[in-house]
Amino acid sequence: DSGVTQTPKHLITATGQRVTLRCSPRSGDLSVYWYQQSLDQGLQFLIQYYNGEERAKGNILERFSAQQFPDLHSELNLSSLELGDSALYFCASSLNEASSYNEQFFGPGTRLTVL
Amino acid sequence: AQKITQTQPGMFVQEKEAVTLDCTYDTSDPSYGLFWYKQPSSGEMIFLIYQGSYDQQNATEGRYSLNFQKARKSANLVISASQLGDSAMYFCAMREGSGGGNKLTFGTGTQLKVEL
Repeated sequence: DSGVTQTPKHLITATGQRVTLRCSPRSGDLSVYWYQQSLDQGLQFLIQYYNGEERAKGNILERFSAQQFPDLHSELNLSSLELGDSALYFCASSLNEASSYNEQFFGPGTRLTVL
Repeated sequence: AQKITQTQPGMFVQEKEAVTLDCTYDTSDPSYGLFWYKQPSSGEMIFLIYQGSYDQQNATEGRYSLNFQKARKSANLVISASQLGDSAMYFCAMREGSGGGNKLTFGTGTQLKVEL
């Protein structure tokens, strides 16, 4: 158990809908990262937050947004869902972003299926 | 250009044998870190080992070791004495530099199957 929790574990929804994925980092970790794992794109970095502020952005679609709250949990919002958004969404956390070594602890993932 | 290349989509190894999973990387940043993660069929990502670009010695963690060849830009994972539970997908990943966040760039993975 990495200490990172993600809810829900599975999500099935229809095209055009909006969903929210939730992540709680390990106790004491300030950074939260979101990754998408799909068959065609592999594992891709979406976005990083550090202590409530956006730190880095990857290949995140405009239909997707995220935030990190004062209690450090994070939410990834996916809207106007398309079939191609079906994927495993991981949240990871690390202590900080300043060190060149920051092991990222991954949550169990949320499997999103868009029908 | 691919930043992380894993050229072996699948590998087979017999139980108790050693296996090497290849990883090459591409970066112009002098400061970077290389990571290996294991993803079993259950889906979770498990951190295995880390190598920093300035580390003089190859990293080791139990049965895992990282064969770091900086000039060749390779960071191969060696698993000694393979066990059935090692059957999983293995990902090599890189973190570049000290600015711009701490994101990881992943390779496409190698599916390892350990056989009796």
